Amino acid sequence: KQEVTQIPAALSVPEGENLVLNCSFTDSAIYNLQWFRQDPGKGLTSLLLIQSSQREQTSGRLNASLDKSSGRSTLYIAASQPGDSATYLCAGDDYKLSFGAGTTVTVRA
Amino acid sequence: DTGVSQDPRHKITKRGQNVTFRCDPISEHNRLYWYRQTLGQGPEFLTYFQNEAQLEKSRLLSDRFSAERPKGSFSTLEIQRTEQGDSAMYLCASSFPAGSSTDTQYFGPGTRLTVL
Repeated sequence: KQEVTQIPAALSVPEGENLVLNCSFTDSAIYNLQWFRQDPGKGLTSLLLIQSSQREQTSGRLNASLDKSSGRSTLYIAASQPGDSATYLCAGDDYKLSFGAGTTVTVRA
Repeated sequence: DTGVSQDPRHKITKRGQNVTFRCDPISEHNRLYWYRQTLGQGPEFLTYFQNEAQLEKSRLLSDRFSAERPKGSFSTLEIQRTEQGDSAMYLCASSFPAGSSTDTQYFGPGTRLTVL
């Protein structure tokens, strides 16, 4: 069973700073790795999906990398804004996503 | 708005009552998933359908839980004889099959269940 861990559980940064969110997983045979954003009391919004044959994906200020050999994925958010405040979740595997508990990010204006 | 809708958004019930939730996936998606999320945790997989066939159920899905997807369109999740431990956010997601050019799962807004 895939185990996914996200550290730290919470992060507070001033506006404009770059964010680095970490995700680790136990099974290197991971099919794909997906990053989500969740606002309080809301559903999940997909940010980026990295398929197993890929090493990274980029969308605007977001960049996610995947290193299967070390069991790690990193989400980079450049030039953070207060609107980036949310919980960020990573999840792995194919049809049956295994989620980490998330990193709650606060960007201070 | 991801295109996946869930109804109701909130449900408060008394212990022992039955509840039913509905999920309408993105119309082109033939896979539909149910997850449960408790406070401070990531979602946990409950079950999934490909078209109308329920292909897997987690051991988290006790026999008080039943899910259906008639005609491969919308899905319902029923919880019988609710317990306080069932209080959680129930999330539905849909996708194209694994191995498609894009098999991203798109999540609905969730149904928040509170069992008193």
